[in-house]
Amino acid sequence: AQTVTQSQPEMSVQEAETVTLSCTYDTSESDYYLFWYKQPPSRQMILVIRQEAYKQQNATENRFSVNFQKAAKSFSLKISDSQLGDAAMYFCAYRSALTGNQFYFGTGTSLTVIP
Amino acid sequence: EADIYQTPRYLVIGTGKKITLECSQTMGHDKMYWYQQDPGMELHLIHYSYGVNSTEKGDLSSESTVSRIRTEHFPLTLESARPSHTSQYLCASSGRLAGNEQYFGPGTRLTVT
Repeated sequence: AQTVTQSQPEMSVQEAETVTLSCTYDTSESDYYLFWYKQPPSRQMILVIRQEAYKQQNATENRFSVNFQKAAKSFSLKISDSQLGDAAMYFCAYRSALTGNQFYFGTGTSLTVIP
Repeated sequence: EADIYQTPRYLVIGTGKKITLECSQTMGHDKMYWYQQDPGMELHLIHYSYGVNSTEKGDLSSESTVSRIRTEHFPLTLESARPSHTSQYLCASSGRLAGNEQYFGPGTRLTVT
């Protein structure tokens, strides 16, 4: 089974600053999808951003962008101009393009935004 | 907000009781999932389903069971609740394409006394 590792259990950032959350994964497959999910306190988990492995261009969604390094099996999330509403647990996830049945999640990073 | 619903949102129940956590989605998704998550912690997959009449156990050993008789409905049942079952239970669904994301329900927070 694939493994997803988030080595930063907790991170903090000053409001309006930039923060990068790390994620690495282990797979022997060449075609897959990577996701970042956000889980605000006591609220529903939602998708932040998605990356297709066969696309070299890094995905961006407004203030959120990724640094996808396929050879290094690294998929970090950069949050620019951090806002108080960005405070949440962030989970990195992997889904195989071949089997596609399961999502493999990392252990999460708790992000605090300091006013 | 995604069209995936869970009831009840909160449940406090005594040891030994049988409970069913409900999950429904209106997106026509084939794949549905149940995760267990302690507050602020990682997700553990306990059951998933590829479609009607198809269910599989996940990575986390669980004393719960699931059924998938209709595409939109994926209930989880605990035959005899124990304090160790106290946790949050998240239901999710996704389309069949590998690039499809998972949509999550709001969760059921279960406390077994």
